[in-house]
Amino acid sequence: QKEVEQNSGPLSVPEGAIASLNCTYSDRVSQSFFWYRQYSGKSPELIMSIYSNGDKEDGRFTAQLNKASQYVSLLIRDSQPSDSATYLCAVKPDSWGKLQFGAGTQVVVTP
Amino acid sequence: DVKVTQSSRYLVKRTGEKVFLECVQDMDHENMFWYRQDPGLGLRLIYFSYDVKMKEKGDIPEGYSVSREKKERFSLILESASTNQTSMYLCASSLSWGSTEAFFGQGTRLTVV
Repeated sequence: QKEVEQNSGPLSVPEGAIASLNCTYSDRVSQSFFWYRQYSGKSPELIMSIYSNGDKEDGRFTAQLNKASQYVSLLIRDSQPSDSATYLCAVKPDSWGKLQFGAGTQVVVTP
Repeated sequence: DVKVTQSSRYLVKRTGEKVFLECVQDMDHENMFWYRQDPGLGLRLIYFSYDVKMKEKGDIPEGYSVSREKKERFSLILESASTNQTSMYLCASSLSWGSTEAFFGQGTRLTVV
């Protein structure tokens, strides 16, 4: 079983709709969770981090964390064509800086 | 802005060659990482380093070694390149122990023929 799991997609979303991305992780003691966005041919860039249960909002992005269910999600509201990218879920399993990544979910926003 | 620079964008090497991938960061970060990215597998950690001359194995260290002689530079070495090491290699850095955000370089697309 992979440590961080995501649906690979592609997730097709009409422009203006909400994109919902899901991620599950296996290490129950993980404390820090991140969403990275990666455009085709580019390197990943951090868009959201979340550390406690509940929701965290930043502009059009909302991250949701449920540690009991070992589940983290990302919502993208009012999706734009510029949101078309691969979204990587990352988990920091211990106090050190290393991250465990999921395989990523490709999002395609259609005009 | 943090800048993480990888020495090459594209490399083509022959099977059995010794290959060096170089990464330099300019923000005095303590932590540096090497990942490889393959379709369907995501980013997998090869090696990481928390300080000069310190290195730790990641999830897939076989066939690789690393060197960190200076704080700003972290090198990934393929001792004898094989075709299954054809991949995108990403270097990253983060500020310190416990630091959260990792900054990535632009990636090196390595093809071993």
